[in-house]
Amino acid sequence: DIQMTQSPSSLSAFVGDRVTIACRASQSISSYVNWYQQKPGKAPSLLIYAASTLQSGVPSRFSGSGSGADFTLTISGLQPEDSATYYCQQSFFPPHTFGQGTKVEI
Amino acid sequence: EVQLVESGGGLIKPGRSLRLSCTTSGFTFGDYAISWFRQAPGKGLESVGFIRSKAYGETTEYAAPVKGRFTISREDSKSISYLQMDSLKSEDTAVYYCARQGMVDDYWGQGTLVTVSS
Repeated sequence: DIQMTQSPSSLSAFVGDRVTIACRASQSISSYVNWYQQKPGKAPSLLIYAASTLQSGVPSRFSGSGSGADFTLTISGLQPEDSATYYCQQSFFPPHTFGQGTKVEI
Repeated sequence: EVQLVESGGGLIKPGRSLRLSCTTSGFTFGDYAISWFRQAPGKGLESVGFIRSKAYGETTEYAAPVKGRFTISREDSKSISYLQMDSLKSEDTAVYYCARQGMVDDYWGQGTLVTVSS
């Protein structure tokens, strides 16, 4: 299976900060990376797909970049409602594996 | 409005079987693959597997921990996908989610809790 490694596992930041979460795949996966936000007790919510395409309705402060094996999720201008756990997922080859998650505290 | 609702979870003894359902509405079910995921208490997300649409032969893919024990199926006439779980183990304890898979798993259900314990 393709391994997805996220870093950091957690971070603490202030409202208005810019935060970056990294995700590295164990092999090249082109741009087949998606990012999800999950709040406690809720299902994950899609933020970004195909590495950099913003899902409809997602605020523009979220952005994604990368290709090959290295990817990044950036939140520019952190808001209180962004407190959540964020996961990367590869959809290049089944099973569609996830990173271990990054908990963002504000 | 796209909706997916999982049901069928509960407390089950190790070694027993359980079938989960994913009832959907708001989209043309037959046009999409359906994915199943799980999340153990306090842990991250894990792929269980998925079933492709009829156009792709309704073929399935499974993650290694469940291969040979779990079976995903679909009933397009009812817009429902099923996750049949056999030979359950304590490590299968998790919230199970289904999701619509287009280019990506874009809509998810709210999940159903399966607890495997004697």
